[in-house]
Amino acid sequence: GEDVEQSLFLSVREGDSSVINCTYTDSSSTYLYWYKQEPGAGLQLLTYIFSNMDMKQDQRLTVLLNKKDKHLSLRIADTQTGDSAIYFCAESMDSGNTPLVFGKGTRLSVIA
Amino acid sequence: EPEVTQTPSHQVTQMGQEVILRCVPISNHLYFYWYRQILGQKVEFLVSFYNNEISEKSEIFDDQFSVERPDGSNFTLKIRSTKLEDSAMYFCASWVVRDSYEQYFGPGTRLTVT
Repeated sequence: GEDVEQSLFLSVREGDSSVINCTYTDSSSTYLYWYKQEPGAGLQLLTYIFSNMDMKQDQRLTVLLNKKDKHLSLRIADTQTGDSAIYFCAESMDSGNTPLVFGKGTRLSVIA
Repeated sequence: EPEVTQTPSHQVTQMGQEVILRCVPISNHLYFYWYRQILGQKVEFLVSFYNNEISEKSEIFDDQFSVERPDGSNFTLKIRSTKLEDSAMYFCASWVVRDSYEQYFGPGTRLTVT
């Protein structure tokens, strides 16, 4: 079945770049997402990328997709303490009406 | 900004009891979901609901679970006879259907079964 894997923890210094990695198994995944979860809050969509794209940039966020290796990464430039959260990678085969398949989430800790 | 809300934020119940988790999706959204996350594990899909009926459900969503949209605003998840392994964070999500790729998530209800 579909599976999404990500490392569980990442610690970076404030001002450095963070790179959170994710691998997925379903080659028919069409949409790939990054969600952020702050303590006590729901899952907030940060960005998404279509499978026919290699890269997407949105302000401090850069998403890279290597479809051949089924590898997705999220780079956060100039990481701030407010970026400390859990980041979930997710994939789906369609836009909104198919369930999302999530990874376990990567806990990003930003050290001042 | 419109948001999905969920109540209660934390529910403690005894094994075998029925619980109802409540969600208010964003008002113009048409597709609704329940997901759950057992502590330390992945967020897992339970069920999706569209046009007043279940659209899709996972293997987890067995006869102990049911969903309902009792009025124009609430979307509920009922667990008929809770088990210890039902302890998890339950997330509600909604999707507008047109011109959007985002499922909007609520803050979750933490269910603890003792």
